[in-house]
Order: sequence, then structure tokens, then C-alpha cells
Amino acid sequence: DTEVTQTPKHLVMGMTNKKSLKCEQHMGHRAMYWYKQKAKKPPELMFVYSYEKLSINESVPSRFSPECPNSSLLNLHLHALQPEDSALYLCASSRWGTAGEAFFGQGTRLTVV
Amino acid sequence: DAKTTQPNSMESNEEEPVHLPCNHSTISGTDYIHWYRQLPSQGPEYVIHGLTSNVNNRMASLAIAEDRKSSTLILHRATLRDAAVYYCILRATGGSGYALNFGKGTSLLVTP
Repeated sequence: DTEVTQTPKHLVMGMTNKKSLKCEQHMGHRAMYWYKQKAKKPPELMFVYSYEKLSINESVPSRFSPECPNSSLLNLHLHALQPEDSALYLCASSRWGTAGEAFFGQGTRLTVV
Repeated sequence: DAKTTQPNSMESNEEEPVHLPCNHSTISGTDYIHWYRQLPSQGPEYVIHGLTSNVNNRMASLAIAEDRKSSTLILHRATLRDAAVYYCILRATGGSGYALNFGKGTSLLVTP
């Protein structure tokens, strides 16, 4: 199984809502990543987890709260978002400590209204 | 992070080879050269990676210059399904460098 599964595929939320994005992989990867991608732009790194601990936060606003409850799951909790946070949110995983390939999910298309 | 420079766009005819260039003049000795592509409405997909020697796999070939300051992704026979944005990324092998930091990439158009 070489898949990274993201749910939901699409999400519309109001600015006062709380929602969560979910990412799952069963490849035994101990590095997991969240990226944000705006239309016609490259993906931008948000967070990196290694061995379930947050190792990189790229100065992401606190309305985005990541969580890694176990080695297979990665969540992104969303609260009080702004319309400019509308984007494709991508999850990825890879082995930690090597320079091998990373696997990406298909993303969650988020619209904040 | 060491940066990469790629042309914004390239065009190819179907069934012809495509050479996608990437410059990375500030590459360090331990940086791996990775290529990913992103088809419309999909997440990025791994294509190939290498350190010093040329590499081949079922999708493509990677030619790395002797001084490692540039590389070329070669698609041997382009198909319409190869139309995508191709990203050349340097992946460090220490500290926080395991994350992939994407540049602007090259948008490849394949015409029948």
C-alpha cells in the first residue's frame, strides 16, 4: 500500500466554524508533512512531523493546529479561518533520515466563506 | 535552502523526447536532486531522484552534470498524460532539510 489518503476531498466552512482535515498512511513512514497550495502556485510547506513530534512550523498562523496522534495519522485542525485560507491542502509522508521519495495525497480542497 | 531555477513553461509534441532543465548552482555535496510532477487537480507525484550518477526508471531518466550544478529530466516519449507541472527540488539529508521545498516548476504542454 503506497497511498496517502486524505479526507475529506472537499470542504466548505464558515469563518466561525471548526473543522479538521485528516491524512492517513500505512507505509511505516515516520515523517509526515502538511502543505498549502494556492491556485497556479507551488505547494508551500506548513508543518513537518518526525516520529509524531512537530519538528518544523513554517510560521503558520495559530488558526491552523496540526496533530499527529500516531505514526499513521496526521490531522490539521482549522478554526476561525479567513477567506484567503481557501486553498488545496496536501499531506505527504516519507521515511525519515533518508533522501528517498515522498508520497503525496490528492489533497483537500478547502473553501472558506 | 539551495534553490533551483527552471523555465516557466515548455512545449513538446506527442511521442517526442522532452528534456526539462534545472539549474542548482548552490547545491551542496549532500543534496539529492528530486523531480516531482503535478497533474491538474492532483497531488504531486514522485518521478525520480539522484545524487551524482545518472538514473533511469520506468517513468524517466535523470542526467546530472559532472559538477552537479545542473540536471535534466528526460521523458523519452511524451504522451498527453505527461502534461503537468514538473518540479526540480533539492532535498538535503540532515536536520530540517528532509522536507521538500517546491520552486515554481516548469509547466509542460504536450500537443498531439
